[in-house]
Amino acid sequence: AQKVTQAQTEISVVEKEDVTLDCVYETRDTTYYLFWYKQPPSGELVFLIRRNSFDEQNEISGRYSWNFQKSTSSFNFTITASQVVDSAVYFCALRQSFGNEKLTFGTGTRLTIIP
Amino acid sequence: GAGVSQSPSNKVTEKGKDVELRCDPISGHTALYWYRQRLGQGLEFLIYFQGNSAPDKSGLPSDRFSAERTGESVSTLTIQRTQQEDSAVYLCASSYWTGGRSTDTQYFGPGTRLTVL
Repeated sequence: AQKVTQAQTEISVVEKEDVTLDCVYETRDTTYYLFWYKQPPSGELVFLIRRNSFDEQNEISGRYSWNFQKSTSSFNFTITASQVVDSAVYFCALRQSFGNEKLTFGTGTRLTIIP
Repeated sequence: GAGVSQSPSNKVTEKGKDVELRCDPISGHTALYWYRQRLGQGLEFLIYFQGNSAPDKSGLPSDRFSAERTGESVSTLTIQRTQQEDSAVYLCASSYWTGGRSTDTQYFGPGTRLTVL
C-alpha cells in the first residue's frame, strides 16, 4: 500500500523567512511519481511540480525548490523569501507509474505567512 | 485553454435526497478522476475513468455512490440517499492518457462543496 505523510499540520512564518515543508512517502513500487499541489483559500488545487522516481535531481523554480531523497523516501519543498501570497495548504502526493493511476495524498500542511 | 469545470459550486441538500455532481474535463483529456476532501483532510480517491470505462472504482465508499462518463467528456457523480457524513468537497481532475497509461499530471477543478443537513 502507498502512504504519504506530512507531519507538519500547520506552520507559521514571518514574511521573507524561508520555510521547508516535509513529505515522506511509502511505496513498494520501484517507479513512481511524486507531486506537490497548492490549495489557496479559494479551494482550487494548483499543480506545482511532478517528479519521477528515477530522477533525483533537485529542482528550483523561482522561490520554490524541491529536494528529492530516494534513500530517505522524502520529497521536501522549500519556499525562499516567503510572501503572504504563499499562504495556503500544501499537499504532497504519490502515484504509481503504471497500472493504478490514482493519487495518494498526504493530509496537507497549512502554511501561514505573517506580514 | 479552459480548465476543469465543476457544477454546482455549492450544493445543500437534505439527508436522504439524491444529488448529482458534474465535471467537465479539459478538452482532449481522456482520463478523469473523482476525489473527496472532507473538512481539514487530504483528498481521498473515489474513481477514475479512462474514456468511458472505469478501471478503478475502489474508492467509492458505498453502493450509494456511482459515477458515469459519456463520450470522453462530461462525468457525473451521483450520491443516493445522502447522509451527513457525505458532506465534503468533491473534486474532479483530468489528464492525458497516451500509450495505454496516464503519463501526465492531473489538473483539478474548483470542486463542489456538498452539505447534507
